[in-house]
Amino acid sequence: KAGVTQTPRYLIKTRGQQVTLSCSPISGHRSVSWYQQTPGQGLQFLFEYFSETQRNKGNFPGRFSGRQFSNSRSEMNVSTLELGDSALYLCASSLVGSPSSYNSPLHFGNGTRLTVT
Amino acid sequence: GIQVEQSPPDLILQEGANSTLRCNFSDSVNNLQWFHQNPWGQLINLFYIPSGTKQNGRLSATTVATERYSLLYISSSQTTDSGVYFCAVEPLTQGGSEKLVFGKGTKLTVNP
Repeated sequence: KAGVTQTPRYLIKTRGQQVTLSCSPISGHRSVSWYQQTPGQGLQFLFEYFSETQRNKGNFPGRFSGRQFSNSRSEMNVSTLELGDSALYLCASSLVGSPSSYNSPLHFGNGTRLTVT
Repeated sequence: GIQVEQSPPDLILQEGANSTLRCNFSDSVNNLQWFHQNPWGQLINLFYIPSGTKQNGRLSATTVATERYSLLYISSSQTTDSGVYFCAVEPLTQGGSEKLVFGKGTKLTVNP
C-alpha cells in the first residue's frame, strides 16, 4: 500500500507570494491533517479535514487555509508569504471512526520544505 | 493547553546499548503516539499506545495514562536508530486548536 504522498518536496518562494501544497493520503484513509515544523516552534497542528470538512484548526492566521477533495486528497494554501512561514510542512493521514479523535495511528508523508526569501 | 515534556533532550549511545526515553504530559489524553524522525525529515509512526505496553522488535513502549507518562525502550541500538523521537498526545478535552500536541523530542545519536 502506498504511503502518504506530498508534492512538491522543495519549494522556494518570495515574500508576498502564495503557495499551494498537495497531499494524497494512504488509500482508505479519510482524515488528513497538516502540521508545520520549525526549529523554534517544533511541530504544530495546522488543520484537519474529514469528508471534505475542516473539523479542527490550529492557532494559525487566516493566511493558512486548506481543503479536501472527494477522493480525500488535500491541499493547503498559504497566501501573502512571510519569512517566518519557512518550514517543513507535513501532511498526515489516518483511519478515523470517532469525529473527535484519532483512534488509529497517524502516518506522515515526507513533507514539503518551503523556503521564503 | 496540555504540556508534553520529553527527556532527555539529547542522548548519545554506542551501538548495542539500551536506552529509555520518557514522555510526561500534564492532562488526560485520548491517545498517545511515538514517532521517529530520521535525518531526512521523515516521521515514522512507532507506536499508537493510549495505555498499556506494546512491543515491535527491539522497540517497546509503555503508557501509564493514570500517571500521565509514557516510556519508549530501545534495546540493542543500531546506527539506524539515530534521529529524533517524538511523543505526541491528543488531549481529552479539545477546544479545536489542539489536535495532536508534540513534545520537543529526544535527539538520539548512536555511534558505531
